[in-house]
Amino acid sequence: GENVEQHPSTLSVQEGDSAVIKCTYSDSASNYFPWYKQELGKGPQLIIDIRSNVGEKKDQRIAVTLNKTAKHFSLHITETQPEDSAVYFCAASITGGFKTIFGAGTRLFVKA
Amino acid sequence: GAGVSQSPSNKVTEKGKDVELRCDPISGHTALYWYRQRLGQGLEFLIYFQGNSAPDKSGLPSDRFSAERTGESVSTLTIQRTQQEDSAVYLCASSTTPSSPLHFGNGTRLTVT
Repeated sequence: GENVEQHPSTLSVQEGDSAVIKCTYSDSASNYFPWYKQELGKGPQLIIDIRSNVGEKKDQRIAVTLNKTAKHFSLHITETQPEDSAVYFCAASITGGFKTIFGAGTRLFVKA
Repeated sequence: GAGVSQSPSNKVTEKGKDVELRCDPISGHTALYWYRQRLGQGLEFLIYFQGNSAPDKSGLPSDRFSAERTGESVSTLTIQRTQQEDSAVYLCASSTTPSSPLHFGNGTRLTVT
């Protein structure tokens, strides 16, 4: 079955710096890659997603890149702000399938 | 609009007792999922419901765990004879279709003493 590995487990950056979180997946059939942000005491919320027919997607300060050959995908947050502090999860699934497999999460700290 | 609602938000129970957790998905969402999140860990898939199809129970960790869903509405996750290792946050999510983004509730934090 699918396995998703996520690094780093913890990331600390200064406000205004960029943050990068990386994930790898094992099932070459996976073609949908969402990213979720989880704040303390809340459920994860979708922040951006990418499908396998594109290599990059941006939404304001957030971007995601996908390398299907290497089975890598990454989340990039620019101009980080204290409110970006949270746990971020990458995930992978197959269109038409149902099982979304999550990475172990990255706890991001943005220091003011 | 209303999101996914879970109740109770917190539950403390004694080892050996049964517990029932409830999830109200977003109206019209045919797919419903239960995940378990242990402290500081990722999300562990438990069970999936899609419409009136038979649920996929492949993630349930033992036969003490069971779940039901009434049509395309409320779901309940039942844990019998709770053990301390069952302590975790139980998250419910729903989506419009199986391959659409998941909408999560805020979870039920279960503590087994």
